[in-house]
Parts: sequence; structure tokens; C-alpha cells
Amino acid sequence: GAVVSQHPSRVICKSGTSVKIECRSLDFQATTMFWYRQFPKQSLMLMATSNEGSKATYEQGVEKDKFLINHASLTLSTLTVTSAHPEDSSFYICSAVTSGTAEKLFFGSGTQLSVL
Amino acid sequence: QKEVEQDPGPLSVPEGAIVSLNCTYSNSAFQYFMWYRQYSRKGPELLMYTYSSGNKEDGRFTAQVDKSSKYISLFIRDSQPSDSATYLCAIRTNAGKSTFGDGTTLTVKP
Repeated sequence: GAVVSQHPSRVICKSGTSVKIECRSLDFQATTMFWYRQFPKQSLMLMATSNEGSKATYEQGVEKDKFLINHASLTLSTLTVTSAHPEDSSFYICSAVTSGTAEKLFFGSGTQLSVL
Repeated sequence: QKEVEQDPGPLSVPEGAIVSLNCTYSNSAFQYFMWYRQYSRKGPELLMYTYSSGNKEDGRFTAQVDKSSKYISLFIRDSQPSDSATYLCAIRTNAGKSTFGDGTTLTVKP
């Protein structure tokens, strides 16, 4: 299957700082990427849809000024958690959609964010 | 009512058992059906992908879709301890956004 690389896998930061998470499609171009948040023992919660070259579409209740998404190229989307607080601590996962007649969704390995 | 309902589990089976994981959905516009496996603190891994009613087999895994009943299943034959994980069904329309079930946690005991 296609490979989606997410980095870093784990980050610990102080409250008030910003953290950037990168999501790269390594062997395909992805015009659309998705960002999710997942709490322990819960399913994926879609935060936003990231479209190359345009503004991200955020789900209801997700603060766009807090979770900045940039999809500057067909292989890279970034999520920046600005002014992080302990309640932002979570597991963040990105995914990318392959193009073609059979669009498939592949996930990155996730980023565990801990805000102290 | 959620668009996708997944049998909650958890499931615990002995090694070698046949496992059945199930989801129902409400939106007939859903056209693509997927099953993902997620190990703890890892991203989901695509196991099966199908878009038509019927069965699709890949090794020990069989995905079954019944569009008339809006019901999908994943069967795992000869289950192994390494199959212990959370399984997520996902369903998508042509518009591209996928809707996920809440997941079923499976434990296969040696």
C-alpha cells in the first residue's frame, strides 16, 4: 500500500508553545489529506480536511486559529498546534487519499502530543 | 443516530477461532467500504477495501458487504495473537470524506 510518513511520533512541550506536525505522502501525490484527533480507547475524530493550494476545511467545533493547517504541496501537509495547553494533549493522526479510479485512504503513524 | 454503527466489543477469542466484526450504516450514498486495523498508539492500517456487494478475500481476511441491508462484516480465519488490535470499519461516499465506526477491540489468546 501507499506510504504516509508522519513526524514527529512523540512530542512533549511546555504550555504556551507551538508544535508543528508534518504529514508526507512518500510514494504518491495527495491533493487531499485529513487530520484526526484520537483519545484513548476512542475512535478517530476528524478535525479538518486539508486541500493542496487552498484553505483547510475545519469540522464544527475545531478552532481554526488554534490548529493551523498548511498543505503547500501535493506531498506535504502540516498541522501546527498554537499556544498549546494541557487539554490539547492527544494522539494526532493524518491521512492521505490516493488518486485514480480507486481512491484509498492511508494513514500516518500518528503523533502523541503531551503538553505540560 | 450515527451514520456508522460498529459492534462495540471487546472481543476475546482463543487462537485459531474465526472472528466476525460487523458494522451497519444508514446512508445509502455510501459506496466505498474499508476495514482498518489499529495497534495501540499507531496509525490505522488499511486491511480491506471494496465497493461492491459480495465477498472479497485476502489471505485470512474476508470482507463482506450487503448493500441491501447496509451491513458490512470482516471475518478473520485462524486468528492469531498478532491479530489482537482495534478494528475500524470506514465507509465513504464519492465526496471523499470517510466516516468511521467506533472500533472493536479484539484480543486473541494463545
